[in-house]
Amino acid sequence: NAGVTQTPKFQVLKTGQSMTLQCAQDMNHNSMYWYRQDPGMGLRLIYYSASEGTTDKGEVPNGYNVSRLNKREFSLRLESAAPSQTSVYFCASRVGGSGANVLTFGAGSRLTVL
Amino acid sequence: QQPVQSPQAVILREGEDAVINCSSSKALYSVHWYRQKHGEAPVFLMILLKGGEQKGHEKISASFNEKKQQSSLYLTASQLSYSGTYFCGTEGQAGTALIFGKGTTLSVSS
Repeated sequence: NAGVTQTPKFQVLKTGQSMTLQCAQDMNHNSMYWYRQDPGMGLRLIYYSASEGTTDKGEVPNGYNVSRLNKREFSLRLESAAPSQTSVYFCASRVGGSGANVLTFGAGSRLTVL
Repeated sequence: QQPVQSPQAVILREGEDAVINCSSSKALYSVHWYRQKHGEAPVFLMILLKGGEQKGHEKISASFNEKKQQSSLYLTASQLSYSGTYFCGTEGQAGTALIFGKGTTLSVSS
């Protein structure tokens, strides 16, 4: 049982390049999330998908796009990378809806934009 | 809006206790607590729901004051393994997303 799998784990980009971070979960969760983590800033929500077919902006959506490809997969795209997007990105998922459902995180993707 | 955590950092000796607080300006449906070790992903500790339901690890305790939109995490008889950064995440309505605070760094020494 892999849980939440993110690829790639590390990536270096030049300013202006584009890339997609992939996330897949095998827990049959309905809701999926993308967070970024920067020193002293905590985990900030970029986008989320409460259920297959829906996506919503979070706290810091500018410069990003997302696709909920199917129930398992939720990708994050940087169309034109900027140095300010250098960060560690975490994908997470949970059952969703009401109740005490736990958020499970992937291992993270470290992105450096030069 | 990000919830506010306090203190920002705590330094303890093994066996000492600590309390980490989390405060929101909005009404809350749930509060979550996670711990992150350096270079790793956050790991679940506790969920507290509006209405009193709780779910979490046996050795972890927390409280949730719904009227004040505040939660506290109680770490008793700390161990070296408690070291890490603790995050609270708040959810305004069921089924939305967790918004996390900036974290509290806990260092436990022998």
